[in-house]
Amino acid sequence: EPEVTQTPSHQVTQMGQEVILRCVPISNHLYFYWYRQILGQKVEFLVSFYNNEISEKSEIFDDQFSVERPDGSNFTLKIRSTKLEDSAMYFCASSTQGTENTEAFFGQGTRLTVV
Amino acid sequence: KQEVTQIPAALSVPEGENLVLNCSFTDSAIYNLQWFRQDPGKGLTSLLLIQSSQREQTSGRLNASLDKSSGRSTLYIAASQPGDSATYLCAVDRDDKIIFGKGTRLHILP
Repeated sequence: EPEVTQTPSHQVTQMGQEVILRCVPISNHLYFYWYRQILGQKVEFLVSFYNNEISEKSEIFDDQFSVERPDGSNFTLKIRSTKLEDSAMYFCASSTQGTENTEAFFGQGTRLTVV
Repeated sequence: KQEVTQIPAALSVPEGENLVLNCSFTDSAIYNLQWFRQDPGKGLTSLLLIQSSQREQTSGRLNASLDKSSGRSTLYIAASQPGDSATYLCAVDRDDKIIFGKGTRLHILP
């Protein structure tokens, strides 16, 4: 069964460093998303991406964050200068259409630890 | 602003019992509602998706209902097993983003 894959599964980085989280969405999907979950808290929406541009973003997704689809298969989330409060599990998701019409499939997540 | 609330926050039941998890949401204008399972430190596994026009969905021992007008959903688990122990998340979809509840942490006692 097709699945969304995320790498790495766990990343430790020093405060102030840049990190790139990688995702390979399901191959025929056109809509891509990033969510995050701080330990013990709700899963929160960060950004949605369609047709090579951001379609919506939350207030969490500030100038420190960016997303990119550098080729036909990868979807990345970059955090330019990490802060301690960026420590969280980051989930990538994809869907064939917008999620109002179809189910979004989630990856297994990347646990980011900022020290 | 859409808010999703799940009650109870935690639940422990003996193996074999049937149980119900509750979810409520404040804005009934949703496209669909989804139940997920999350094991500790792990990702999100989709269990059931109910479109806004539907009233319920079933998968094996799981049954989810949706009452959109009252802003409620329930997840019914029949004949619970220790392997069902996990956190169950309710999530609603609106405007191409999914809003999650905080989850119910379920522990099935052997």
